[in-house]
Amino acid sequence: GAGVSQSPSNKVTEKGKDVELRCDPISGHTALYWYRQRLGQGLEFLIYFQGNSAPDKSGLPSDRFSAERTGESVSTLTIQRTQQEDSAVYLCASSLASASGNTIYFGEGSWLTVV
Amino acid sequence: AQTVTQSQPEMSVQEAETVTLSCTYDTSESDYYLFWYKQPPSRQMILVIRQEAYKQQNATENRFSVNFQKAAKSFSLKISDSQLGDAAMYFCAYRILNSGNTPLVFGKGTRLSVIA
Repeated sequence: GAGVSQSPSNKVTEKGKDVELRCDPISGHTALYWYRQRLGQGLEFLIYFQGNSAPDKSGLPSDRFSAERTGESVSTLTIQRTQQEDSAVYLCASSLASASGNTIYFGEGSWLTVV
Repeated sequence: AQTVTQSQPEMSVQEAETVTLSCTYDTSESDYYLFWYKQPPSRQMILVIRQEAYKQQNATENRFSVNFQKAAKSFSLKISDSQLGDAAMYFCAYRILNSGNTPLVFGKGTRLSVIA
């Protein structure tokens, strides 16, 4: 597609439920990133995929968070047993591989509210 | 660990005037990239300007320019002739220069209001 696409745009869930957030990166982008942005805060790095390499999971805040990526396309971020503190915008981004100077393109995010 | 600090949670500017947003960072690396991203209410992060640390010349993009002071680890954004559409959150970000892609490290942002 033309840009990074995320779904759902907004999600309200009950505490304790599991949620899945989806990201479609720009076609051809081998690098994919997930960030979390709490209200009024900056972006916290969660996880990073680069091609077929093992993902960098160093930013995941707990074992309730996991993410998968199918080849070099769609990624799903899963949050199990959601807590109110998980309420945030979850932003996905992608970029071409090869050099860290490549521009990172962001989606519009999935706004998660845990009630 | 690398950190990025934006000391101004909120700023305001009159339309057509100039405003400068501050950013400092901490790193032991000598080669890296610095970025300014704009986030309007739509939530989408938009790249405003990018600076390579190995370049001494300050980057400019139309009304946007930076003042990069490598020794001071400072990277401020100047917006000239401010427009109503410039109102947004602005994030400063850092990225190590290496052979692969690494995540961006972000500051907490500055909310810019433009007064008509």
